[in-house]
Amino acid sequence: DADVTQTPRNRITKTGKRIMLECSQTKGHDRMYWYRQDPGLGLRLIYYSFDVKDINKGEISDGYSVSRQAQAKFSLSLESAIPNQTALYFCATSDRTSGGHNEQFFGPGTRLTVL
Amino acid sequence: EDKVVQSPLSLVVHEGDTVTLNCSYEVTNFRSLLWYKQEKKAPTFLFMLTSSGIEKKSGRLSSILDKKELSSILNITATQTGDSAIYLCAVGTTSGTYKYIFGTGTRLKVLA
Repeated sequence: DADVTQTPRNRITKTGKRIMLECSQTKGHDRMYWYRQDPGLGLRLIYYSFDVKDINKGEISDGYSVSRQAQAKFSLSLESAIPNQTALYFCATSDRTSGGHNEQFFGPGTRLTVL
Repeated sequence: EDKVVQSPLSLVVHEGDTVTLNCSYEVTNFRSLLWYKQEKKAPTFLFMLTSSGIEKKSGRLSSILDKKELSSILNITATQTGDSAIYLCAVGTTSGTYKYIFGTGTRLKVLA
């Protein structure tokens, strides 16, 4: 079974709709992240959470919100989707041991298209 | 503003060639530099370099961190078609709180 799962894997929606992307992990990691990937722009951080009560904005948080329902679950919401939010979205986790100097483990990605 | 820059943006080589990918960074409170390989979907981890571990090697891949030049290189020797992928560099920083900043990646294509 995959350690980091994302649902849905693909989604097509219309402008103005509310969308939730979900991420679950079985790695027991405290830290979870949401990124979006656009061609030519690499991975950009949307939000990150170091534990259930700690949520932080990344470099492109406008238009997004998150919820850390449990250590294993981190959801990303688009309250009112717009076409420039069309992208590939990744959830990632990392361990806080060793001072946090650890690799990130990525989910399979969600391809979101906003028409 | 923290930033990570990778070069070249793309590269086409033939099997057996050796390639060198570059990553330079300008961040406050550097903690680590990570290399990932992204084939079709999720990035997969290759190496992590820190002040206490500036050189890593695994098979045909190796990486070096140059903290003086604020850069790292990823070398791939005897390339194979299976090495075709996007290679991502990420820098861990404690600007604010601990997070990773990614470069745009280098797209490598290895021709048979």
